[in-house]
Amino acid sequence: GQGVEQPDNLMSVEGTFARVNCTYSTSGFNGLSWYQQREGHAPVFLSYVVLDGLKDSGHFSTFLSRSNGYSYLLLTELQIKDSASYLCAVREPNYNVLYFGSGTKLTVEP
Amino acid sequence: EAAVTQSPRNKVAVTGGKVTLSCNQTNNHNNMYWYRQDTGHGLRLIHYSYGAGSTEKGDIPDGYKASRPSQENFSLILELATPSQTSVYFCASGDDRGGSDYTFGSGTRLLVI
Repeated sequence: GQGVEQPDNLMSVEGTFARVNCTYSTSGFNGLSWYQQREGHAPVFLSYVVLDGLKDSGHFSTFLSRSNGYSYLLLTELQIKDSASYLCAVREPNYNVLYFGSGTKLTVEP
Repeated sequence: EAAVTQSPRNKVAVTGGKVTLSCNQTNNHNNMYWYRQDTGHGLRLIHYSYGAGSTEKGDIPDGYKASRPSQENFSLILELATPSQTSVYFCASGDDRGGSDYTFGSGTRLLVI
């Protein structure tokens, strides 16, 4: 399997930004995915990155550094409704198995 | 619309009883996965399958069996349920493309008493 680590909690303020960090150690790597999960619901796909650098997707951007085993999800112009858990998952080459971190609960305050 | 459907949505089982969680997908995906989610642990992989007739162990397979009788269906079986298996179980399907995401079911909330 893979080791995927995320901080448990993160707080930020409406209108600003939040960066959700993820570190990983892998035996095989076929990219990294980010999911959003609201309480009582299934995860929802946000982004997939496999190359180093920043991938700008508007409200959500993702960064990857394969040499450092590090990624982050950047949320800009935060809204209260962005409050949710954000899951980082490393994709293994065989059968695209995803190994998830424990998730970061983001709380956006007014 | 392509989807992953899990049943039941909620289940209460007695310790030592047999529990079967079912998952059906209409995405025509080769790969299917079973995860459980507990507070503090995130999603942990139990079993997965890469096609009809195949099952593979994930990170935490002990106490679980899986069955993939067809492309569409993937079941998770608890032969002798224990309270430690109380959890929320998610099924997902996916294909072999690197950038493709999983399609998750809505989850099954299992309570073993």
